[in-house]
Amino acid sequence: GAVVSQHPSWVICKSGTSVKIECRSLDFQATTMFWYRQFPKQSLMLMATSNEGSKATYEQGVEKDKFLINHASLTLSTLTVTSAHPEDSSFYICSASRGGLSTDTQYFGPGTRLTVL
Amino acid sequence: KQEVTQIPAALSVPEGENLVLNCSFTDSAIYNLQWFRQDPGKGLTSLLLIQSSQREQTSGRLNASLDKSSGRSTLYIAASQPGDSATYLCAVRDYNTDKLIFGTGTRLQVFP
Repeated sequence: GAVVSQHPSWVICKSGTSVKIECRSLDFQATTMFWYRQFPKQSLMLMATSNEGSKATYEQGVEKDKFLINHASLTLSTLTVTSAHPEDSSFYICSASRGGLSTDTQYFGPGTRLTVL
Repeated sequence: KQEVTQIPAALSVPEGENLVLNCSFTDSAIYNLQWFRQDPGKGLTSLLLIQSSQREQTSGRLNASLDKSSGRSTLYIAASQPGDSATYLCAVRDYNTDKLIFGTGTRLQVFP
């Protein structure tokens, strides 16, 4: 149990276009979902936290108008990279937890590789 | 500000060796610590989660210990196999920020 999927697994787009990445909890309801970014040979950095039905909380330095997050249901969160630029190329990973407790386990998706040309 | 460091950054060993990967964190105020495995270009697989009140967790050939007061955790891998080759990440759930803070990882290669 506790499977998280992401779609697409990889995407290549032209500079200036928008890209949407989906994160789904397949066999559980996720009260909270998280979006991380990982640059090559670096660790994961939290971008934002979203709770179902409310606005996402963004980390310092992450532009909320550029990285739009929607958590419309207990099984789906989307990250839209608007007007993507080459510096947005990265590996984006989502995670989901059943509850909102700090001790709740986060289950991670397989990641989405974004390449902006 | 919580910082997580992993040593060594890379490790290459022959098959069959017992390994110790180290993780240290600067603030002992944590909810839990988790060890993950990441294969190249892939997401994270959770290996072990240790709550702050626990001292260790075991799963198969893996054993993770936690010394919260000294800000250290170790991941012990017994009888390593080529299939263990991956990057191993540790992460703490920070009490003050309620966020998962990741270390920079240890890239492990086990050769036959």
